[in-house]
Amino acid sequence: KQEVTQIPAALSVPEGENLVLNCSFTDSAIYNLQWFRQDPGKGLTSLLLIQSSQREQTSGRLNASLDKSSGRSTLYIAASQPGDSATYLCAVRANQAGTALIFGKGTTLSVSS
Amino acid sequence: KAGVTQTPRYLIKTRGQQVTLSCSPISGHRSVSWYQQTPGQGLQFLFEYFSETQRNKGNFPGRFSGRQFSNSRSEMNVSTLELGDSALYLCASSLKEGDEKLFFGSGTQLSVL
Repeated sequence: KQEVTQIPAALSVPEGENLVLNCSFTDSAIYNLQWFRQDPGKGLTSLLLIQSSQREQTSGRLNASLDKSSGRSTLYIAASQPGDSATYLCAVRANQAGTALIFGKGTTLSVSS
Repeated sequence: KAGVTQTPRYLIKTRGQQVTLSCSPISGHRSVSWYQQTPGQGLQFLFEYFSETQRNKGNFPGRFSGRQFSNSRSEMNVSTLELGDSALYLCASSLKEGDEKLFFGSGTQLSVL
């Protein structure tokens, strides 16, 4: 059974710092991996999606990497800003059929000005 | 273009009652998925509908059910509510079955007293 773990559960950094969020999964047979952002009381917004054949994806100050063989992904946030404060969730999809995602419990990030 | 709309936004019920939650996908989207989010278990997949048919189901008891209408709107029903059913219920829509781009609504916060 696939399990997704995110460490740390919470992180506080000062504005401007570069940071890395970690995600690990137990079964390397994934179809893709996504990073989402969730603001308090809100739904999820997709940040980056990495296909199983890819090693990384970039969008602005965000860079996500994927190492399928070791079952790990990282989300790198450069030059953090207070507006980056949110919960970041990692999710894996097992196969192409259907959209069922298996989520980690998230890392809650707080960026202070 | 309107996003995914979930109603109601908040709901308070008592144990033993039943509840129906509604989700209107983005116009043109035909696939709808439901997730339950709790502090203890995180986000867990409930079920997915496409063309009025349930395509995939998560590991939840039969008290949780859903359906999709011809206009792609979806409802989920929870019967005989338990305290542990208190959660944020999120709906996500996508253009077609298996589509990687999911768009989430803001959710329905259900409290069971």
